[in-house]
Amino acid sequence: DQQVKQNSPSLSVQEGRISILNCDYTNSMFDYFLWYKKYPAEGPTFLISISSIKDKNEDGRFTVFLNKSAKHLSLHIVPSQPGDSAVYFCAADTGNQFYFGTGTSLTVIP
Amino acid sequence: GAGVSQSPRYKVAKRGQDVALRCDPISGHVSLFWYQQALGQGPEFLTYFQNEAQLDKSGLPSDRFFAERPEGSVSTLKIQRTQQEDSAVYLCASSPTGGYSNQPQHFGDGTRLSIL
Repeated sequence: DQQVKQNSPSLSVQEGRISILNCDYTNSMFDYFLWYKKYPAEGPTFLISISSIKDKNEDGRFTVFLNKSAKHLSLHIVPSQPGDSAVYFCAADTGNQFYFGTGTSLTVIP
Repeated sequence: GAGVSQSPRYKVAKRGQDVALRCDPISGHVSLFWYQQALGQGPEFLTYFQNEAQLDKSGLPSDRFFAERPEGSVSTLKIQRTQQEDSAVYLCASSPTGGYSNQPQHFGDGTRLSIL
């Protein structure tokens, strides 16, 4: 069963606009959430994380929001840049194991 | 090196052959993880080491898969009698301290395994 879901396989956004990537999870035991960015033929690169005790974490152009009651996580990128074009994976941690979503491919159009 | 290094980057093997994939974690990192990533999917957990101890191997899909980290640094993932369904990218990740909690894992670029 897929405990972490990214229902949008792809997203296209104009340069300078906001990109919003979404992630849903089913396991209420998850206590730490992360976003990874992946370019072709490279491994995932850590982007930003959030603990379950928070509802928002910001790092430059990247903000992660956590809605525990809805079991929903989102990543906002603003302003979007062409170099942000990549596959984004959300991941969740129970303290014993990481679970990854299937990824969303973001294309930022210049 | 500064990051997690995996070798080879690409491996092609005939069905039934044995393969060995190598991971050099970030120096000093205590935890090491192996993942399998099929095409169009996210990474799926295979096994976890804390130093030389394999604490979790619940994700290994069959007894044909074996991993070791004898000196607590370099790790090898071995797949015996390979099958076509073993074709995937195998990712290695490491993190500085023991356990999973509240720390990101740092990934290598993976080994793309193709079984003919």
